[in-house]
Amino acid sequence: GENVEQHPSTLSVQEGDSAVIKCTYSDSASNYFPWYKQELGKRPQLIIDIRSNVGEKKDQRIAVTLNKTAKHFSLHITETQPEDSAVYFCAASKRDSSYKLIFGSGTRLLVRP
Amino acid sequence: DVKVTQSSRYLVKRTGEKVFLECVQDMDHENMFWYRQDPGLGLRLIYFSYDVKMKEKGDIPEGYSVSREKKERFSLILESASTNQTSMYLCATEDRGPYEQYFGPGTRLTVT
Repeated sequence: GENVEQHPSTLSVQEGDSAVIKCTYSDSASNYFPWYKQELGKRPQLIIDIRSNVGEKKDQRIAVTLNKTAKHFSLHITETQPEDSAVYFCAASKRDSSYKLIFGSGTRLLVRP
Repeated sequence: DVKVTQSSRYLVKRTGEKVFLECVQDMDHENMFWYRQDPGLGLRLIYFSYDVKMKEKGDIPEGYSVSREKKERFSLILESASTNQTSMYLCATEDRGPYEQYFGPGTRLTVT
């Protein structure tokens, strides 16, 4: 079945530096790729998503890139701040034919002040 | 603002007990989901429902069942709780089209 691998499992950066989290997916029919952020003790929340007809999407300090040929997508956070510290999950889905989201295992990001 | 609530934040049950976890949403969303979250494993889909009385198995349905009698309510049932079902359980809802999933606060279930 569909599988999503996420790396690294933990990431520590200095405040102001950039952070990159990478995911690979197995099903080439996947066409929707969201990213969720889960702060400590809170529920996951969508921060950005991308569809397979787009190569890159930006929203202020966060961006997501998608390489369909290689079947991987990445989350980029620039000018990191302490409030970016959280667990980030990538996911993949074959929208329009399935409601299922397959999540990666998560990346714990720590931004050191 | 989407509101998704779960019946308990913390629950402690004994092995063999029948356990009910309930999720209620107030946004008239069609799709509802139950996940379990374990460290290093991400969120794994147990069951989902795309309409009242409709359900489909997710990736780890064994030992669980679900019920959706009303659109706003989706229940997860552990027929006979076991210690390996100790986990954080998250409910989510989704409106068809935007695809964003809205999560509940979670229920941390401990089975002893």
